[in-house]
Parts: sequence; C-alpha cells; structure tokens
Amino acid sequence: EAGVTQFPSHSVIEKGQTVTLRCDPISGHDNLYWYRRVMGKEIKFLLHFVKESKQDESGMPNNRFLAERTGGTYSTLKVQPAELEDSGVYFCASAKAGGYNEQFFGPGTRLTVL
Amino acid sequence: SQKIEQNSEALNIQEGKTATLTCNYTNYSPAYLQWYRQDPGRGPVFLLLIRENEKEKRKERLKVTFDTTLKQSLFHITASQPADSATYLCALGGRAGNNRKLIWGLGTSLAVNP
Repeated sequence: EAGVTQFPSHSVIEKGQTVTLRCDPISGHDNLYWYRRVMGKEIKFLLHFVKESKQDESGMPNNRFLAERTGGTYSTLKVQPAELEDSGVYFCASAKAGGYNEQFFGPGTRLTVL
Repeated sequence: SQKIEQNSEALNIQEGKTATLTCNYTNYSPAYLQWYRQDPGRGPVFLLLIRENEKEKRKERLKVTFDTTLKQSLFHITASQPADSATYLCALGGRAGNNRKLIWGLGTSLAVNP
C-alpha cells in the first residue's frame, strides 16, 4: 500500500509569488489534514477535509491560503501571494473514516519564501 | 489557550536502558493522546494512541500512560536501541466532529548511545 505522497519536496519562491502544494493521501482514506511546522515551533493544524468537504479550517492563517480536495482524492494547498512568514514545512496526513484513527503523514514540503 | 509541554532538553541514554519522555498539557481535555516518532527530513510516524478512559497501553517495547487528573502522559521505551534515536512528539486529539485535529507538542529529541 502506497503511503501519503507530497509534491514538491522543496520549493523556493520569492515574496509575492504563488505556490501550490499537492498531497495524495492513502487510497480510501476519507480524512485528509494539512499541518505546518515553522522552524522552532510546534506542528500546527491548518485544516481537515472529510472526502471533498472542509470539516474544519480553523487553522488556516488567512485568506492567502486556499485548500481544495476535488473529488475527495488528492488535495492542493495554494498560497497566493506568498509572504516571508509562510516559510516552513507543510505536512499532509490522511486517516480512515470513523473513530480516533492514527494519521499517516507524508514527508512534507519544505517551503522557503525569500 | 491549549498548551503542551514536552521535555525541552534532549535526552541521552545508554543502549539497553529505559527512556522515559513526558508530555504535560493545560487548558484542554483531550479525548485521546497519540505519540509519534519523527526522523530528520521525514513526516511523523504514528506509534501509540491512548484514550481518555485508558490508563496504560503497550506495544512491543513501548508503553504509554495517561493521567487525566495530572494532565500528563509518560512514554517509555524499554531496552532502548540506537535505532530508537529520533524526535518523539506528543499530540492531543479532540472529540468527534470538528475537533479531530491534533494539537502538538514541540517534541523531545532522544539519543540512544551504543
């Protein structure tokens, strides 16, 4: 069974540019989460999809961040326009439906905004 | 606001000894608590989950305890091996619905010396 994959692994962009991160969850996992870790800080929740619906987007920093999960499969997280403080590692995780299930994490995308 | 504290200093132990990591939390009543392992450049990997009504869970050389009165979890690795060297993260989970997101501690770095 393939794990959670994320693309790209690294992205270096300039302030004001746009970046789109992609996450492919484990097949059959209804739950998909986005998290971010800024250097020196703890991992922070961004949002949670159940299938194609946003269940909780309380962690999204501002309206420069847009997440989608069309068809309930892969998800994208777009940052437009990027700011310096958006730098960090963005993790995607997926989990089965129901109960308190373990979350399976991808390797993360390291985003650097210059 | 919710806060999770883990051993702030790195833990160095000798191979074969038991490593004990601490996770304390405030201003939160989690439905469950999870422990993850993270290696450099990789996403967190799930280790154990313990629910609020459970006192102890074991899995091979791992043991986790959960004291909701003290608001504390202890994570033990017995017969530690150099391969156990990694950062260990504590994460709290809420109840069903919008609180499935995980709230994370900063992690504790463990080094097991041969």
